[in-house]
Amino acid sequence: DAKTTQPNSMESNEEEPVHLPCNHSTISGTDYIHWYRQLPSQGPEYVIHGLTSNVNNRMASLAIAEDRKSSTLILHRATLRDAAVYYCTAFSSGSARQLTFGSGTQLTVLP
Amino acid sequence: DTEVTQTPKHLVMGMTNKKSLKCEQHMGHRAMYWYKQKAKKPPELMFVYSYEKLSINESVPSRFSPECPNSSLLNLHLHALQPEDSALYLCASSQVANSPLHFGNGTRLTVT
Repeated sequence: DAKTTQPNSMESNEEEPVHLPCNHSTISGTDYIHWYRQLPSQGPEYVIHGLTSNVNNRMASLAIAEDRKSSTLILHRATLRDAAVYYCTAFSSGSARQLTFGSGTQLTVLP
Repeated sequence: DTEVTQTPKHLVMGMTNKKSLKCEQHMGHRAMYWYKQKAKKPPELMFVYSYEKLSINESVPSRFSPECPNSSLLNLHLHALQPEDSALYLCASSQVANSPLHFGNGTRLTVT
């Protein structure tokens, strides 16, 4: 399995951008990078995913390093509702796909 | 609200009981998953079903028995659990391999 490492916690001010890093140095060439977030008492929620190129959607942007050993989730303007645990994950394609979650980053958004 | 529905939301059971957790999705997804999550820890993969066949079992003890009756339903049968099995059990589904997971809000299980 590809292993991911993330900082335990980060803080951001409301309406400012947030950059959440993730290292996945053991990722293979066909492993996708996924990000999920989890609010208290809820299941994880999909945020974004990518393979090689940077990706954007309505929630966030994903910047993937050229060597694919790290990635950064970018929230362009943090709101109080973005306070959550953010998980970076990597998993393999093919029939034996597995999804291994990193330890997660607790994001605190300050008003 | 999520598109993956798990029942019950909470379950308390004794070590000699037999119970089942249920999960349902109607998004046409062909892969379904069970995860276990302890407090302040990330979810840990237990089982993966792909096209209604068990494709991954992450060395889970036999007191946990998964079942996929059809493409929309996933069950987790529990028997002779231990107190350390108390956790949040999450179900997820995805359209196909590599596609994003959709999680339910979980069943909070307490084993007494």
